[in-house]
Amino acid sequence: GENVEQHPSTLSVQEGDSAVIKCTYSDSASNYFPWYKQELGKGPQLIIDIRSNVGEKKDQRIAVTLNKTAKHFSLHITETQPEDSAVYFCAASNTGFQKLVFGTGTRLLVSP
Amino acid sequence: NAGVTQTPKFQVLKTGQSMTLQCAQDMNHNSMYWYRQDPGMGLRLIYYSASEGTTDKGEVPNGYNVSRLNKREFSLRLESAAPSQTSVYFCASTEGWGEAFFGQGTRLTVV
Repeated sequence: GENVEQHPSTLSVQEGDSAVIKCTYSDSASNYFPWYKQELGKGPQLIIDIRSNVGEKKDQRIAVTLNKTAKHFSLHITETQPEDSAVYFCAASNTGFQKLVFGTGTRLLVSP
Repeated sequence: NAGVTQTPKFQVLKTGQSMTLQCAQDMNHNSMYWYRQDPGMGLRLIYYSASEGTTDKGEVPNGYNVSRLNKREFSLRLESAAPSQTSVYFCASTEGWGEAFFGQGTRLTVV
């Protein structure tokens, strides 16, 4: 089955810096790669996703890149703000109804 | 819209007790899921229901049962709770290739 590895487990940055979180996946059939943000005491919320026919996708300060050959994808957050502090999860899926396999999460701390 | 609603939000059980976690979604989604979240292990799929009337095991199904009561509701049952089932449980729903929506979670402690 699919296995998703995520690094780093914790990431501390200064406000205004960029943050990059990386994930690798094992199943070459995976074709959907979402990123979720989880704030304390809440459920995960989708922030951006990418499908395997696209190499990069941007949404304001957030971007995701996908390298299918190397089987890895990354989340890039620019101009970080304290409210970006949260746990971020990557995930992968190869099924039409999104049986997602999650990474282990990255705790991002943005200091003012 | 309420989205995905889970009850209860918190629960403490004694070893061997049983309980049912409830989940309901109001988005008319076909697929529903139960995940557990443990420190350092991300979210692991327990059971899922691709559509009303079907259920399948996920990565960690042992010790759990599920019921897809109707299109809206998907419940998770612990027949005989064990300390290893102490976790935060999340229900989610999706429609086709759309976004997965999660509930706020149920924090379960088994003592």
